[in-house]
Amino acid sequence: RKEVEQDPGPFNVPEGATVAFNCTYSNSASQSFFWYRQDCRKEPKLLMSVYSSGNEDGRFTAQLNRASQYISLLIRDSKLSDSATYLCVVNEKKSSGDKLTFGTGTRLAVRP
Amino acid sequence: DGGITQSPKYLFRKEGQNVTLSCEQNLNHDAMYWYRQDPGQGLRLIYYSQIVNDFQKGDIAEGYSVSREKKESFPLTVTSAQKNPTAFYLCASRPQGASGRARYNEQFFGPGTRLTVL
Repeated sequence: RKEVEQDPGPFNVPEGATVAFNCTYSNSASQSFFWYRQDCRKEPKLLMSVYSSGNEDGRFTAQLNRASQYISLLIRDSKLSDSATYLCVVNEKKSSGDKLTFGTGTRLAVRP
Repeated sequence: DGGITQSPKYLFRKEGQNVTLSCEQNLNHDAMYWYRQDPGQGLRLIYYSQIVNDFQKGDIAEGYSVSREKKESFPLTVTSAQKNPTAFYLCASRPQGASGRARYNEQFFGPGTRLTVL
C-alpha cells in the first residue's frame, strides 16, 4: 500500500463547479498534513495546511479524519486559474528530522 | 527578495558524466532537501540536511551525493552510478526547531532543474 494515496484524476469540471479531492495515508503516526498546488512544469507551493478541526481559506476547505486516516480538499466555485495538480502531503516526525511524503497528485482542469 | 534558487533550469549531459545541481537559499532556513519528480509519480526524497556539515539519505539516495558546507547551499551531484538520472529535481528548505502549528512545517521549493541525460 502506498504511504499516501490520492484520487487518480484527471478531474475535468466547468467553471463554477464544486470539486472534491480525497487522500488516504497509511502511517497513523503522521502528525501534520498539507495540500500543495503544482502548476505544469513548476515547483509545488503550499495551498493550505490541514488542521484537525477542519479549516477554510476562501473557496478552499480542508478536512482531516484521523480515525480513518483520510484528508480531503473541497474547491467551491472553480476558476480557470484553479487548473493545476493538487498534492496531498503528510509529515512524520522522525529522530532524524521531519519527513514529508507526497502523494502522486490529482490533476484538475477547469474549462470555460 | 528572500527565496530559493536553483540553477540551471535545464541541463543536458551525456551518459556517464557526473553533474552537480546548485541550490541556494537566503531564507536562513536550517533544513534543506532534495527531491526528484518523474512523470506520474510523487516527489521522492533523495537527501536532506538538518544542519551544516550533516546530511542523511532519503528514500532514493543511490547514485547521488550531497554536501552542506554552508547553511545557504546544498548542492546535489548526480553521479554516473545513477541508473536513470533524467528527471525534474527540486530543492526545498524549511526553518528548523519550530513546533506547534503545522504551518511551521511548510517546505519552500526552488523552481527546479530539469536534467536530461542523453
